[in-house]
Amino acid sequence: GQQVMQIPQYQHVQEGEDFTTYCNSSTTLSNIQWYKQRPGGHPVFLIQLVKSGEVKKQKRLTFQFGEAKKNSSLHITATQTTDVGTYFCAGSMLTFGGGTRLMVKP
Amino acid sequence: DADVTQTPRNRITKTGKRIMLECSQTKGHDRMYWYRQDPGLGLRLIYYSFDVKDINKGEISDGYSVSRQAQAKFSLSLESAIPNQTALYFCATSPGWGGPRETQYFGPGTRLLVL
Repeated sequence: GQQVMQIPQYQHVQEGEDFTTYCNSSTTLSNIQWYKQRPGGHPVFLIQLVKSGEVKKQKRLTFQFGEAKKNSSLHITATQTTDVGTYFCAGSMLTFGGGTRLMVKP
Repeated sequence: DADVTQTPRNRITKTGKRIMLECSQTKGHDRMYWYRQDPGLGLRLIYYSFDVKDINKGEISDGYSVSRQAQAKFSLSLESAIPNQTALYFCATSPGWGGPRETQYFGPGTRLLVL
């Protein structure tokens, strides 16, 4: 079955530094979704990517979908303490990556 | 989202007990899901339902059962709870299949401790 892997599992950054999490699938994806889960909260949808090579931006967040539609990345520029949480990618077969937990030191 | 509610929010039970976790939604979505979250393991799919008459096993269905009582209600049961079922359980819904209809909306979660 489809497997989705995310790296790194954890990331500590100083406020203002950039952050990137990577998502890799064992199979080609029809689309990929990204979710954010704040500490003590539930996953909340951020964005969906559908097209090969697609790049979407949401303020300081940049999402990319690989040309082969087997990988994706989320990049946060100049992290803030409000970015703290776990970021998950999800493949098209209800398969979530293990998540990357982002911790930001003020 | 407040549109997806889960009860109870926290539950402590003993090994061997039967318990039920309930999920209700007011979003009018046909599709509902149950996930389990363990530290470092992300979200793993237990069961999913594409409509009232359609129930499917997910990645980790052993030890669990579900009931879709109505479009708005999807319950998860642990017939005989065991300690390694201690986890955070999420219910989610989605409108359908394809593109933005696959976006999932999660409930607040139920924290279960099996002693």
